[in-house]
Amino acid sequence: EPEVTQTPSHQVTQMGQEVILRCVPISNHLYFYWYRQILGQKVEFLVSFYNNEISEKSEIFDDQFSVERPDGSNFTLKIRSTKLEDSAMYFCASRGPSGSNQPQHFGDGTRLSIL
Amino acid sequence: GENVEQHPSTLSVQEGDSAVIKCTYSDSASNYFPWYKQELGKGPQLIIDIRSNVGEKKDQRIAVTLNKTAKHFSLHITETQPEDSAVYFCAAILGGNEKLTFGTGTRLTIIP
Repeated sequence: EPEVTQTPSHQVTQMGQEVILRCVPISNHLYFYWYRQILGQKVEFLVSFYNNEISEKSEIFDDQFSVERPDGSNFTLKIRSTKLEDSAMYFCASRGPSGSNQPQHFGDGTRLSIL
Repeated sequence: GENVEQHPSTLSVQEGDSAVIKCTYSDSASNYFPWYKQELGKGPQLIIDIRSNVGEKKDQRIAVTLNKTAKHFSLHITETQPEDSAVYFCAAILGGNEKLTFGTGTRLTIIP
């Protein structure tokens, strides 16, 4: 069964440094998402992306965050100047073209640790 | 925006018994309600979903019910097995939006 893959599985970064998290969505999917989960808490929406544009974003997704689809297969989340509170699991998800009431499929996440 | 409440936060069930997890949502315009299972070190895995035009859906030992009037939906797992132990999240999405709003999760433990 096709799946969303994320790399790296764990990223350790010094505060203030830039970090890029990478995702390969399911191949025929057109809608892409980033969510995050702080340890022990619920999953929170960051951003959705379709047709090379952000379609929706949350208050968490401020100017320090950006997303890009640099080629036909990858989808990336960049944090420009990391803060301690950015430490979390970051999940990428994707879904097919049939409407927002279709399943979003998640990867296994990148654990981001800011020192 | 949408707000999703989930209960209980922890649930322990004897193997073979049933488990029920309940969620309520705030916005009557929500029209899609997935349930995810999250095992340790893994991402959320979709186990069942229901759309607002349906009251109940079943897939083997798992069922979901939706009460649109009361704005709540429930996950039912029958004949529980040790491998059902995990954290379960409900979620809701507003019609036409892209954002999934998650509940706070239920840690389900199946006691052998």
